[in-house]
Amino acid sequence: GIQVEQSPPDLILQEGANSTLRCNFSDSVNNLQWFHQNPWGQLINLFYIPSGTKQNGRLSATTVATERYSLLYISSSQTTDSGVYFCAVSTGFQKLVFGTGTRLLVSP
Amino acid sequence: GAVVSQHPSRVICKSGTSVKIECRSLDFQATTMFWYRQFPKQSLMLMATSNEGSKATYEQGVEKDKFLINHASLTLSTLTVTSAHPEDSSFYICSAGAPGLAIREQYFGPGTRLTVT
Repeated sequence: GIQVEQSPPDLILQEGANSTLRCNFSDSVNNLQWFHQNPWGQLINLFYIPSGTKQNGRLSATTVATERYSLLYISSSQTTDSGVYFCAVSTGFQKLVFGTGTRLLVSP
Repeated sequence: GAVVSQHPSRVICKSGTSVKIECRSLDFQATTMFWYRQFPKQSLMLMATSNEGSKATYEQGVEKDKFLINHASLTLSTLTVTSAHPEDSSFYICSAGAPGLAIREQYFGPGTRLTVT
């Protein structure tokens, strides 16, 4: 099946710093989503981005489908950005395969 | 955005008993729902795909007789963990997608933390 790897696995930032999270996948996909899992476990939809670039406030994402990777940019990080970031992909009928995750800690 | 709820949020049960978890789509009809399991500090793993009015499809390695799934309406899917054992302790999360939203985009419930003693 498809493999989804995220990097870095762990990231520690000072408040106000910028960061880039990467998601590599091993096959063509028809869906790619980025999620933020908060400390209570809730998955929050950040982007639905099978291709192209999107921006939402301090967050933006780019997926280069032909090269099988996606990037999530976080600018001016805040302590509330802490948590785990997952990318997830599907190649067929909505079944999502989740990546390994990036655990982010933003310190004041 | 679409809202998915789960109940209960947390449950503790004794080994050998059964536990039912509900997943509801609150503001849209979900022809398909998905059930995931997440162990501490790990990623989410898909357990099964639940289709309204038909049998669920289980991923390889998931015991269908242990994890019973029912999707009786377009807004409700249930997961029953039968004869639970401590190794079934985990975080269970459901998701739903529906045509008319961003077609393939999925929305997730808040999860249910199951502890089997």
